[in-house]
Amino acid sequence: SYVLTQPPSVSVAPGETASITCGGNNIGSKSVHWYQQKPGQAPALIIYYSTDRPSGIPERFSGSNSGNTAALTISRVEAGDEADYYCQVWDSSGDLAVFGGGTKLTVL
Amino acid sequence: QVHLQESGPGLLKPSETLSLTCTVSGDSVTTGNYYWSWIRQPPGKGLEWIGYFFYIGSTNYNPSLKSRVTISLDTSKNQFFLNLYSVTAADTAVYYCARGLGPAPKDYWGQGTLVAVSS
Repeated sequence: SYVLTQPPSVSVAPGETASITCGGNNIGSKSVHWYQQKPGQAPALIIYYSTDRPSGIPERFSGSNSGNTAALTISRVEAGDEADYYCQVWDSSGDLAVFGGGTKLTVL
Repeated sequence: QVHLQESGPGLLKPSETLSLTCTVSGDSVTTGNYYWSWIRQPPGKGLEWIGYFFYIGSTNYNPSLKSRVTISLDTSKNQFFLNLYSVTAADTAVYYCARGLGPAPKDYWGQGTLVAVSS
């Protein structure tokens, strides 16, 4: 089945830019969705169809997708961005939705 | 505003059936091109997609669970359901219901409900 690989953790200082990657075989041909999950809360969709933001999501959050790597970029990181982030795609060959293992973002 | 709320027993014994209800408000489970979905998360671990019921009546399940799972709708109550049969300790998780914009992206989620399987 299709595998999505994320780094377990990323650390960034406040005000800097964080980049969280999601690797997969030819992932650039798929639509990638990103979720933010804070402790004790349900995941929240922050990027869908690789680059679109739901209403209410700040422009600081952006997505890109090419080749074998998709990325979530968070500009001007704030303490409130500290959370787990998950990427997701639809695996059409296996006919299922697949999540990456998640990345814990720590704001130093 | 769309709101989803899971309900169901929090503790099961091995071999029992896990039955959860998701009550939807602010939207109808019969309108729009939405995929009414279930996702779970074992304690301290990542997310696992369980499956969905597409509003026109089709279902799709994670192959790893397909033999043990059904998802259904009750349009009169605006609810959808998860049944997972023959549970084991490995099924212990927080179970979320969610509305899907497509087979994958979920834009509204319930708060989640913890289901523990223990003898």
